[in-house]
Amino acid sequence: TQLLEQSPQFLSIQEGENLTVYCNSSSVFSSLQWYRQEPGEGPVLLVTVVTGGEVKKLKRLTFQFGDARKDSSLHITAAQPGDTGLYLCAGVDRGSTLGRLYFGRGTQLTVWP
Amino acid sequence: DADVTQTPRNRITKTGKRIMLECSQTKGHDRMYWYRQDPGLGLRLIYYSFDVKDINKGEISDGYSVSRQAQAKFSLSLESAIPNQTALYFCATSPASGANVLTFGAGSRLTVL
Repeated sequence: TQLLEQSPQFLSIQEGENLTVYCNSSSVFSSLQWYRQEPGEGPVLLVTVVTGGEVKKLKRLTFQFGDARKDSSLHITAAQPGDTGLYLCAGVDRGSTLGRLYFGRGTQLTVWP
Repeated sequence: DADVTQTPRNRITKTGKRIMLECSQTKGHDRMYWYRQDPGLGLRLIYYSFDVKDINKGEISDGYSVSRQAQAKFSLSLESAIPNQTALYFCATSPASGANVLTFGAGSRLTVL
């Protein structure tokens, strides 16, 4: 059973378009992280959201944590080829004293020039 | 030098061979992890260690073993490799406190023929 469902699994768009990636769960998380992974490299943290309803912006990327802390979204405005990569969400288990991370399966984004 | 270094980066081996993947870190983090990444399945946790004397099984530990030789070193072994262990393996670290943000190595690609 996948704790975190990401959608879409694949996204292929033209430079300049906007897009949104979703990360959904029936579980409540104490925080949620977004990572980006490029070919030949490990995932790199983009942002952590902690408070329900929180919105964080990182240049053209906007991250939102749902009010109930069960879901999150990543919106990219005016995508560029450099945004190409695998985007992973990861939730920190609210019920775990050890703070276990659970990853979604990822969204593979390709931005064409 | 990278904060988290994995060796080897690529390895091709045959069924039944013993394989060791090594990980060393300069982050000074107490917690270390081994993940496996397969296309469409995301990152799955194999083993994790919260300090030198602590070893815990993750979601998919069967067929794998680990050794935490020091705070900075965490190795993953496949005692008798099989083809379905062909995957990209990542080592990661995190601090003992805070939001459990992971720092990943660049990955070790293992092919079992």
